[in-house]
Amino acid sequence: ETGVTQTPRHLVMGMTNKKSLKCEQHLGHNAMYWYKQSAKKPLELMFVYNFKEQTENNSVPSRFSPECPNSSHLFLHLHTLQPEDSALYLCASSQETGTGELFFGEGSRLTVL
Amino acid sequence: GQNIDQPTEMTATEGAIVQINCTYQTSGFNGLFWYQQHAGEAPTFLSYNVLDGLEEKGRFSSFLSRSKGYSYLLLKELQMKDSASYLCAVPMDTGRRALTFGSGTRLQVQP
Repeated sequence: ETGVTQTPRHLVMGMTNKKSLKCEQHLGHNAMYWYKQSAKKPLELMFVYNFKEQTENNSVPSRFSPECPNSSHLFLHLHTLQPEDSALYLCASSQETGTGELFFGEGSRLTVL
Repeated sequence: GQNIDQPTEMTATEGAIVQINCTYQTSGFNGLFWYQQHAGEAPTFLSYNVLDGLEEKGRFSSFLSRSKGYSYLLLKELQMKDSASYLCAVPMDTGRRALTFGSGTRLQVQP
């Protein structure tokens, strides 16, 4: 148990569906992140939020829409995805101060048909 | 820009010692992280080095040479449960909080 909870753990969706991934952290951190992990590729940063404000959008297509209503919750809204978007989506959190260590959730395994 | 290189796969025997290397290029150094990730699970923090030298933590040690842009993770007395991917990471450009990760080294421990 890392203190970062992601739901759902597995998601299968068609290209015309709309779905959302949810992340909740119980660590009192004030920065939250979305990373994408595809097979045989490094973890790719997607979005960063600091104190609910988006501070990083790593050239992510608009079919991925993040939302951060407060410092403990982070969502990734998905619509009209492509099969190549199938991947493991990892949420992480960190403290604003300190080493910058990231605490990861278990991930949401997304399959786009 | 930033670049991190690690071997893709390694195999070692239970009870042995294995060294996983990582070379990196970054414009402003602010520490280096090692994470462990078992298949289907979250990456978990192993170590953080910001100064040159060896940091020991039980069976795991991590070494850093900033002048060479080089780090390694040393795993001693290997156990079957050490079979996992090991990810090397550095903070993104100075002032940014996120980490840039290498592709990871998948370690297979054999009996």
